[in-house]
Amino acid sequence: DTGVSQDPRHKITKRGQNVTFRCDPISEHNRLYWYRQTLGQGPEFLTYFQNEAQLEKSRLLSDRFSAERPKGSFSTLEIQRTEQGDSAMYLCASTLNRGNTGELFFGEGSRLTVL
Amino acid sequence: KNEVEQSPQNLTAQEGEFITINCSYSVGISALHWLQQHPGGGIVSLFMLSSGKKKHGRLIATINIQEKHSSLHITASHPRDSAVYICAVTPNRDDKIIFGKGTRLHILP
Repeated sequence: DTGVSQDPRHKITKRGQNVTFRCDPISEHNRLYWYRQTLGQGPEFLTYFQNEAQLEKSRLLSDRFSAERPKGSFSTLEIQRTEQGDSAMYLCASTLNRGNTGELFFGEGSRLTVL
Repeated sequence: KNEVEQSPQNLTAQEGEFITINCSYSVGISALHWLQQHPGGGIVSLFMLSSGKKKHGRLIATINIQEKHSSLHITASHPRDSAVYICAVTPNRDDKIIFGKGTRLHILP
């Protein structure tokens, strides 16, 4: 296993278009997080999954954002009708949680630029 | 007020200096993470700790649960240590991980 992978690494899109990001966590990890990071800021929570169940979604997210983890393995994050304010690095992290949090492993991130 | 506060926000030091980065948090936690982020994005976990002290090479992390405070130390700093160091906590309620805003460290040769 080569770690957490994210695809695409870079996405440039026009305002109003839909974009989808994919995250493949480390195979045995049951918990998966999505975060967003803008320049000079720490990662901002978006949502997270325990296996296939979405446990929490940030109140900061509008209805244009949706995430899935259909089989408890890979996850997708979709942004509909993108806006310039959506431009950011979208980070995925995974961990093995067995009642206690394990070490976090991050992907390289997917950088979104909305023109 | 953020639940996780780091200081300083920015730090520039000469090669060889001893570096300390501080993290204070306001919630009960089950674990605290120190992470390193180099320009270009990738985040790497340096430490995960819930008590005491951990050491890895030139890096040392300590935590005081009663005072809700942790420090990351770098001994004999080197320009390759230049990065953003992020403190993050896992709350007791086993909820989402909360991140600090990071400390940008620049080590001059």
